[in-house]
Amino acid sequence: DIQMTQSPSSVSASVGDRVTITCRASQGISSWLAWYQQKPGKAPKLLIYAASSLQSGVPSRFSGNGSGTDFTLTISSLQPEDFATYYCQQAHSFPYTFGQGTKVEIK
Amino acid sequence: EVQLLESGGGLVQPGGSLRLSCAASGFTFSSYAMSWVRQAPGKGLEWVSAISGSGGSAYYADSVKGRFTISRDNSKNTVYLQMNSLGAEDTAVYYCADYSSSTGFAFDIWGQGTMVTASS
Repeated sequence: DIQMTQSPSSVSASVGDRVTITCRASQGISSWLAWYQQKPGKAPKLLIYAASSLQSGVPSRFSGNGSGTDFTLTISSLQPEDFATYYCQQAHSFPYTFGQGTKVEIK
Repeated sequence: EVQLLESGGGLVQPGGSLRLSCAASGFTFSSYAMSWVRQAPGKGLEWVSAISGSGGSAYYADSVKGRFTISRDNSKNTVYLQMNSLGAEDTAVYYCADYSSSTGFAFDIWGQGTMVTASS
């Protein structure tokens, strides 16, 4: 199985800050990588697919990058509604696997 | 409006069974593969199972293989998850989600989730 490792597990940041979350796959997954945002009590929301494609309706301050084993999600200017938990997920092969999550908290 | 609506969750005794349903609306259901993803209380996301648009191919996480069965009825726009031999480790919110090549096989539309609790 492909293991997905996110870092950091949590980050404290202020509105307007630039935040970068890293996801590493245990083996190469080309660009088959997605990022999700989840708020408490809600279903996850797809932000980025195919490593760098912005899902329709998602603000352009979100961006994704990477291929192979190393990927990043960047929020260019953190907004109040962005405080949430973020997950990466590989869609390269079954069993699909998620990272453990990164909680973005208010500083 | 594109929508997924799960049902069938509840409290079940360890060793018991439950069948979850996920009703889809607003899109051509048979054109999309479907998946179940779960989240234990306070934990992260865990992929559980997936089924192709035709229903001809199914995939399972090792943690549920042999106990859970995914199926779909395209005439009813519904995907199911039959869960047998439930244990405390299966306690979670279960989400259904669709995926396709148009979004790099990522999970695009999600339901609101249904809670399954295995406890005596």
